[in-house]
Amino acid sequence: QQQVKQSPQSLIVQKGGISIINCAYENTAFDYFPWYQQFPGKGPALLIAIRPDVSEKKEGRFTISFNKSAKQFSLHIMDSQPGDSATYFCAASRYNQGGKLIFGQGTELSVKP
Amino acid sequence: GAVVSQHPSRVICKSGTSVKIECRSLDFQATTMFWYRQFPKQSLMLMATSNEGSKATYEQGVEKDKFLINHASLTLSTLTVTSAHPEDSSFYICSARGTHESTDTQYFGPGTRLTVL
Repeated sequence: QQQVKQSPQSLIVQKGGISIINCAYENTAFDYFPWYQQFPGKGPALLIAIRPDVSEKKEGRFTISFNKSAKQFSLHIMDSQPGDSATYFCAASRYNQGGKLIFGQGTELSVKP
Repeated sequence: GAVVSQHPSRVICKSGTSVKIECRSLDFQATTMFWYRQFPKQSLMLMATSNEGSKATYEQGVEKDKFLINHASLTLSTLTVTSAHPEDSSFYICSARGTHESTDTQYFGPGTRLTVL
């Protein structure tokens, strides 16, 4: 019940296209859903996060869509650029569990010029 | 803001020796820090949660006597890999949860690549 399932495992998108990564969770007690971007040999960087009281959050080219009833959330990267090529991780946490993040398996995104 | 540093960034040691990795929150106070381990092409695996001034909480399967964690101040946590063996070679990443904004937000350090020969 603590799992977060992420798909696809890898994704190839043309420059200018939309990259979409999906995550599904089981534990309805989760109340915080961040997305992290990680470049090879670096630590993850917080990209954008959402709470279950909103269905969508947008920051620049990055949008999280959240479907509470389906227990799913997704990351959309608009106008994808080669510089966006990285591994993306979704995660979920419960506030009263000390903020412990449960990570998805990761998606390796490659944006072709 | 919200910068977390780790030192060293890369370390190579001989089997049987101990290695200490430092994690610092540079511009905020972190009551809670987390230590992760990451193998190539895999997700982050939480090893332990460290709260300032108290003992760390280890995840199931993580040997607390092998991975010693100390969180002596609100800006510093250390991970010591004792009697390291080649199978301990991995990418170790810390994160810190800030108190200055959402307490859910975790900021990650740049990671430490440990190679045990």
